[in-house]
Amino acid sequence: DAGVTQSPTHLIKTRGQHVTLRCSPISGHKSVSWYQQVLGQGPQFIFQYYEKEERGRGNFPDRFSARQFPNYSSELNVNALLLGDSALYLCASREWDSSYEQYFGPGTRLTVT
Amino acid sequence: AQTVTQSQPEMSVQEAETVTLSCTYDTSESNYYLFWYKQPPSRQMILVIRQEAYKQQNATENRFSVNFQKAAKSFSLKISDSQLGDTAMYFCAFEHAGGTSYGKLTFGQGTILTVHP
Repeated sequence: DAGVTQSPTHLIKTRGQHVTLRCSPISGHKSVSWYQQVLGQGPQFIFQYYEKEERGRGNFPDRFSARQFPNYSSELNVNALLLGDSALYLCASREWDSSYEQYFGPGTRLTVT
Repeated sequence: AQTVTQSQPEMSVQEAETVTLSCTYDTSESNYYLFWYKQPPSRQMILVIRQEAYKQQNATENRFSVNFQKAAKSFSLKISDSQLGDTAMYFCAFEHAGGTSYGKLTFGQGTILTVHP
């Protein structure tokens, strides 16, 4: 079975621009979470979605938004990019009740110049 | 709010030897999970081992084992017979079991482990 996939792998944007990151969960997984990992630090929780509904939100500004589609894939959107948004963005999927293990994708490396 | 602290920014060990990575956490919850994740240079976050807070027995997975001290809020990872492939950043993580925090992992700052031949 394919693991969690994310696209694109790398992305370079300019301050003020908008970016959309995509995630496809493992088949059968209905929950997707997003994390931001700044270089040299641990990941920080951004959002969790389950069955297309937001179930959790971390301490991130409203410039960050996300959604989940009927096929359980997800998009993370960031508006008005700042230099500080440069990071590795990780997506993780899990089954809701039957497993407490989150499976992570390889991440999208976003660089804001 | 939960916090996770890893006090060792870097550790090194010789191949075949044993190393222990430290982690402490702070929470007012009684029901939670603890994890150790490995992140090699390839960036893929991989689960190493997990511990349910309600279980007194320490989890083990082959060469990896934990020392879970609930009262002290300590959760250390022991790697036996270290291998070159164990070289990676290791993260300790906490998840509240249930409620609105379910699914939210809180990570520590990480420990870079280097295994030398």
